[in-house]
Amino acid sequence: EAQVTQNPRYLITVTGKKLTVTCSQNMNHEYMSWYRQDPGLGLRQIYYSMNVEVTDKGDVPEGYKVSRKEKRNFPLILESPSPNQTSLYFCASSLDFSYEQYFGPGTRLTVT
Amino acid sequence: QKEVEQNSGPLSVPEGAIASLNCTYSDRGSQSFFWYRQYSGKSPELIMFIYSNGDKEDGRFTAQLNKASQYVSLLIRDSQPSDSATYLCAVNGAGSNYQLIWGAGTKLIIKP
Repeated sequence: EAQVTQNPRYLITVTGKKLTVTCSQNMNHEYMSWYRQDPGLGLRQIYYSMNVEVTDKGDVPEGYKVSRKEKRNFPLILESPSPNQTSLYFCASSLDFSYEQYFGPGTRLTVT
Repeated sequence: QKEVEQNSGPLSVPEGAIASLNCTYSDRGSQSFFWYRQYSGKSPELIMFIYSNGDKEDGRFTAQLNKASQYVSLLIRDSQPSDSATYLCAVNGAGSNYQLIWGAGTKLIIKP
């Protein structure tokens, strides 16, 4: 089954404790992206990757890191999480940025 | 700052009627336009995409694009309670910006 998987689905953590949210796709897509979604603000792009080893900042990259060492995986790293990073996070992939994006199920992160 | 604007709603429509959702965008060079549906707590899923001026129909859904006026709309005919969701408009920009710009979404409620 073609899909984007994210783990964990739910995470409660404390300020400053490094965490990684994994994202993996099995559709051989070149383009991958991370979004956060907050009430009233819609989807905001954090980082995106056009292909392996190529990543770029989205609209809200501060406090986040990513890496794209292989095509299928695109982890999101929070080195020192803060409460303002409490949000719903989605990973997405597509053939190209101008094509349909397929979303993972989401990760609900709470930072206390 | 490139923007995509949507009325947040909620838009309440009787079952069986036509629901009309609208979206305006600021980047005149935008080339690809998408409508996604998002149920509460779930990930977005693609409903329609359109690249050319005019109408594009798929079942009960019609996307309409007017590049001169910089708006894109989604019509849902014979609205069903299962259509109740938030509808997100996304637009990709021109040039070297490999991002989708998202509206905040319109919440649609179909009343039985």
